[in-house]
Amino acid sequence: KAGVTQTPRYLIKTRGQQVTLSCSPISGHRSVSWYQQTPGQGLQFLFEYFSETQRNKGNFPGRFSGRQFSNSRSEMNVSTLELGDSALYLCASSLDGTSNQPQHFGDGTRLSIL
Amino acid sequence: AQSVSQHNHHVILSEAASLELGCNYSYGGTVNLFWYVQYPGQHLQLLLKYFSGDPLVKGIKGFEAEFIKSKFSFNLRKPSVQWSDTAEYFCAVTSYGNNRLAFGKGNQVVVIP
Repeated sequence: KAGVTQTPRYLIKTRGQQVTLSCSPISGHRSVSWYQQTPGQGLQFLFEYFSETQRNKGNFPGRFSGRQFSNSRSEMNVSTLELGDSALYLCASSLDGTSNQPQHFGDGTRLSIL
Repeated sequence: AQSVSQHNHHVILSEAASLELGCNYSYGGTVNLFWYVQYPGQHLQLLLKYFSGDPLVKGIKGFEAEFIKSKFSFNLRKPSVQWSDTAEYFCAVTSYGNNRLAFGKGNQVVVIP
């Protein structure tokens, strides 16, 4: 079956703009999590959605937000972009979000801020 | 919050050499442990996982890992590496009831033919 699909693959934005990234989980998966990957900080958890509700949130400012739709697809939004937001944003899905279930990752969206 | 430590960020070894990557975590309660691999240009893939039971777990491509609770460790091993094992390896942890993965900084492994 198809894996986790993230769109777009690449984005270039300027400071102050906002951006929306999309994630389609594996069919049947109801939990979607978002992670930020940078060379300096590594992989950091942003938030998790399950049944259209944010269930968990990492230590990121309020400029980072997300949502999940009834078909489990998820979007994350970053407003007032800063240079430091340049990163690879990864989406991961799991069946029902229990902690012992492996998360399956997409290819990511590479966001560059000029 | 949990933290995960991986040492020796860059590892270079020859084909057929043995590989061991260390992973230590900080959380003292019930944990679920994972090793993920990221091959060049590819997405993160699950290598193996430990939830309970036998502390020695086997994963794909000949990898195995041992959970030592008293040492808060989950080290990854492979007896004989191949050039195709060149990749970045990440150790990750979730605590019981929380789906949030805490990752280590990763080990960049380069296998020389």
